[in-house]
Amino acid sequence: AQSVTQLGSHVSVSEGALVLLRCNYSSSVPPYLFWYVQYPNQGLQLLLKYTTGATLVKGINGFEAEFKKSETSFHLTKPSAHMSDAAEYFCAVSAYGNNRLAFGKGNQVVVIP
Amino acid sequence: DAGVIQSPRHEVTEMGQEVTLRCKPISGHNSLFWYRQTMMRGLELLIYFNNNVPIDDSGMPEDRFSAKMPNASFSTLKIQPSEPRDSAVYFCASSASGGTPGELFFGEGSRLTVL
Repeated sequence: AQSVTQLGSHVSVSEGALVLLRCNYSSSVPPYLFWYVQYPNQGLQLLLKYTTGATLVKGINGFEAEFKKSETSFHLTKPSAHMSDAAEYFCAVSAYGNNRLAFGKGNQVVVIP
Repeated sequence: DAGVIQSPRHEVTEMGQEVTLRCKPISGHNSLFWYRQTMMRGLELLIYFNNNVPIDDSGMPEDRFSAKMPNASFSTLKIQPSEPRDSAVYFCASSASGGTPGELFFGEGSRLTVL
């Protein structure tokens, strides 16, 4: 079975500072990895994904994540936080070719002006 | 293009009443998922369908919950009788057969409050 660990439910970051959200996964088979974002009172939307190939993946709104197999990690970063980045971010994993996702608990990001 | 459409967006009901949540997936998508989101438990997969057939309902909490997908463009999640602990946001999501497995498109959710 697949699982995801996201530490620190609430993350505060100053506007213009680095955003770093950590995600570690557990999977017995090659994983597909995802970051989803949820804005207030909305559904989740895909931010970026890793399936195979290049381990550094770029997503929308300037976010990127790097797949590190040796560390079983898929951390999300953005060089400079913007007020519009305030949202909840979820890391998720699925087994290779499997539609069933396991989500982490989420990180609520607060951007301080 | 229309996304996943859920109704109602908000539902307030009293304990013991029947609740029906509805979902219209994106046209052409062949997989449909029902998730529940609460502060305590986060996002939980309740059930998912592939080509209108339930594939995995292991997340359905108990017999009070049931889900149907009578055709490719409509699904319901029913709770009967409802209890206060069922209060949550229920999300429907769909995915395309030719897309990346795990890449889901979510509706805006149905916020259920059971008094």
